[in-house]
Amino acid sequence: DAGVTQSPTHLIKTRGQQVTLRCSPISGHKSVSWYQQVLGQGPQFIFQYYEKEERGRGNFPDRFSARQFPNYSSELNVNALLLGDSALYLCAGEDIRTDTQYFGPGTRLTVL
Amino acid sequence: SQQGEEDPQALSIQEGENATMNCSYKTSINNLQWYRQNSGRGLVHLILIRSNEREKHSGRLRVTLDTSKKSSSLLITASRAADTASYFCLKGTGGFKTIFGAGTRLFVKA
Repeated sequence: DAGVTQSPTHLIKTRGQQVTLRCSPISGHKSVSWYQQVLGQGPQFIFQYYEKEERGRGNFPDRFSARQFPNYSSELNVNALLLGDSALYLCAGEDIRTDTQYFGPGTRLTVL
Repeated sequence: SQQGEEDPQALSIQEGENATMNCSYKTSINNLQWYRQNSGRGLVHLILIRSNEREKHSGRLRVTLDTSKKSSSLLITASRAADTASYFCLKGTGGFKTIFGAGTRLFVKA
């Protein structure tokens, strides 16, 4: 069984641009969460989606948005990029039967 | 919002020694999970302990949960160089999840 996949692996953008990150959970996992991890810090929760509905949102500005598709894959969008948005963005699919989150390898975003 | 911290922030031990790291939280949980992260990669799930459990084992890992103190400990026995990583705890509430603090950075010297 394939694990959680994320694309792209790395991304370089300039301030003010917009970015879209993609995630596909393990087959059968209907919940997807997004996290931001700044270098040297722990991951910070951004969003959780379940069955295409937003289930929770962390303390992030409206420049951050996400959606989940009928196949349970998800996109995270960030508008008007700031230097401080440079981070590793992690996606996790959840097996709701066991409450376990399975993380993808992350997308490393660098904003110049 | 959920809160909690891991401690110590960093731990350096010799191969073969045991490593203990702790996680505290402030609100009620359904379960608590421990994850490992190697060099800025994705997190790997290690073990989940439910709120009605006090201790759980998985290979060289032992997790304890004290709900009265709102804390959990992860013990790695007979550590190996490959255990060098950052370790995080995650609180499961049945709702959305957050991961606390900056984790514990474990360095195992060969």
